[in-house]
Amino acid sequence: DAGVTQSPTHLIKTRGQHVTLRCSPISGHKSVSWYQQVLGQGPQFIFQYYEKEERGRGNFPDRFSARQFPNYSSELNVNALLLGDSALYLCASSVTSGGGREKLFFGSGTQLSVL
Amino acid sequence: QKEVEQNSGPLSVPEGAIASLNCTYSDRGSQSFFWYRQYSGKSPELIMFIYSNGDKEDGRFTAQLNKASQYVSLLIRDSQPSDSATYLCAFPSGSARQLTFGSGTQLTVLP
Repeated sequence: DAGVTQSPTHLIKTRGQHVTLRCSPISGHKSVSWYQQVLGQGPQFIFQYYEKEERGRGNFPDRFSARQFPNYSSELNVNALLLGDSALYLCASSVTSGGGREKLFFGSGTQLSVL
Repeated sequence: QKEVEQNSGPLSVPEGAIASLNCTYSDRGSQSFFWYRQYSGKSPELIMFIYSNGDKEDGRFTAQLNKASQYVSLLIRDSQPSDSATYLCAFPSGSARQLTFGSGTQLTVLP
């Protein structure tokens, strides 16, 4: 079975531009979460979606938005890019939306560089 | 105080030794903990999950949880060079029970 797939793998943008990152969860998984990982740090939570509904949002500005589609795939959008948005963006899927024992499985990530 | 504290390392151990990785957390209500392994340039990979006090073993890996002390550890027995990676501990928090990660401990196993 395919794991979590993310696209693109690498992206270079300039300040002020907009970016869309895509994620397809593991088959049968209905929840998708997005994380940002800056070099040398652990992943930071951005969003969680379950059954197309936003279930949680981390401490990120409104420039960050996301959505989940009926096939459970998801998009993360970032507007007005800043240099500080340069990071590895990770998508993770899980069967349900949490409860404390839900295992998250990560995709290979999208490396975003903002120049 | 950070929610999750890990020794950032780097931690170096010789091949065949036991590597001990530690994590402390501030949320007394935390019920379960995850250990992820992340190779350089790759994404995190789930290696252990523990929710009961005590030890949980899986092959060469043992996770230990002490809720009273708010402490969780990962022991890697018979360490191999292929174990060289950053190890992240995480626990569910927030309204969505999203994972909160530590900053990771970089482990190097020397041949």
